[in-house]
Amino acid sequence: DAKTTQPTSMDCAEGRAANLPCNHSTISGNEYVYWYRQIHSQGPQYIIHGLKNNETNEMASLIITEDRKSSTLILPHATLRDTAVYYCIVPNFGNEKLTFGTGTRLTIIP
Amino acid sequence: GAVVSQHPSWVICKSGTSVKIECRSLDFQATTMFWYRQFPKQSLMLMATSNEGSKATYEQGVEKDKFLINHASLTLSTLTVTSAHPEDSSFYICSAERGTGNYGYTFGSGTRLTVV
Repeated sequence: DAKTTQPTSMDCAEGRAANLPCNHSTISGNEYVYWYRQIHSQGPQYIIHGLKNNETNEMASLIITEDRKSSTLILPHATLRDTAVYYCIVPNFGNEKLTFGTGTRLTIIP
Repeated sequence: GAVVSQHPSWVICKSGTSVKIECRSLDFQATTMFWYRQFPKQSLMLMATSNEGSKATYEQGVEKDKFLINHASLTLSTLTVTSAHPEDSSFYICSAERGTGNYGYTFGSGTRLTVV
């Protein structure tokens, strides 16, 4: 998988927007960016994915830079239940496997 | 939405015994399922890819004779940890692909295995 780099941890105040960055400078033109999160002692949960356009769903927004070398996951109004480890993944095109890095541990502060 | 059910959610077994973990796709057919292992404070590590009707593909360093995978139907894959030892204690997680090819995988809730 294309290597991704994420900060180890971040804090965000409850009710504020949480912005989680991810660098993927070696991404290829046909590789997607996927975001998952894992709440403690649970299986990962799909959040969102995108190729080059910005995407939004009921959970989050994904902003991908024009050169596609980095992206930002935005949780618009963070709640305590958003405390989790967030993984940015760029699978190799044609490779069905998801490889998890270390992710960002996001803590929402009351 | 797509739901993957994993059972049991936790299990304690004696050293030397075998444990079977089930992963079911409840509302879709999964031709491919994946098994991960996660040790405390670490990320998920892919163990193997399970394909319906064929042999599983194991990642480097994973013992295929110890971690038996069976994917006999489009909705069920099982992982059997044979002759379990304390070092096999871990959080095991399965995931399934709906076949759309867009990597929108659904994950099970995980099984915490403790070998005593």
